[in-house]
Amino acid sequence: GENVEQHPSTLSVQEGDSAVIKCTYSDSASNYFPWYKQELGKGPQLIIDIRSNVGEKKDQRIAVTLNKTAKHFSLHITETQPEDSAVYFCAASMVGSQGNLIFGKGTKLSVKP
Amino acid sequence: EAGVAQSPRYKIIEKRQSVAFWCNPISGHATLYWYQQILGQGPKLLIQFQNNGVVDDSQLPKDRFSAERLKGVDSTLKIQPAKLEDSAVYLCASSLSGFGDGYTFGSGTRLTVV
Repeated sequence: GENVEQHPSTLSVQEGDSAVIKCTYSDSASNYFPWYKQELGKGPQLIIDIRSNVGEKKDQRIAVTLNKTAKHFSLHITETQPEDSAVYFCAASMVGSQGNLIFGKGTKLSVKP
Repeated sequence: EAGVAQSPRYKIIEKRQSVAFWCNPISGHATLYWYQQILGQGPKLLIQFQNNGVVDDSQLPKDRFSAERLKGVDSTLKIQPAKLEDSAVYLCASSLSGFGDGYTFGSGTRLTVV
């Protein structure tokens, strides 16, 4: 089955700097890669996603890149703000079957003012 | 639209006791998922329903966990008897398509087994 590895487990940046979180997946059939943000005491919230027919997607300060050949995808946050501090999870699934999301272990991002 | 509702928010029980969690998905969402999130880890699927039928329960510890989704809407997850290692956040999610995307998660129930 699918396995998703996520790095780093913790990341600390200064406000205004960029943050990059990387994930690799094992099943080449996976074709949907969402990123979730989880704040303390809340459920994961989708922040951006990418499908395998696209190499890059951007939404304001957040971007995701996908390298299907290498089976890895990354989350990029630019101009970080203290409110970006949270735990971020990558996930993978095979849309089109009755697949379900497989999650990485998460990255705790701390943005220092 | 209203989100995924879960209750209770918190529960503390002693080991060997039983506990039940409730989830009300987004209206019209046919697929409902229960995930277990142990502290410091990513969510792990326990069971997936499509309407009121089970699609995947391969990772559900069936000797102690059970789940049902009556009438294809609300769902209940039960643990009986609970073990210390069941301490976790139990997340419910729903999706319109059930084909691996479009998940919306609830806030979860934090279970502590002492």
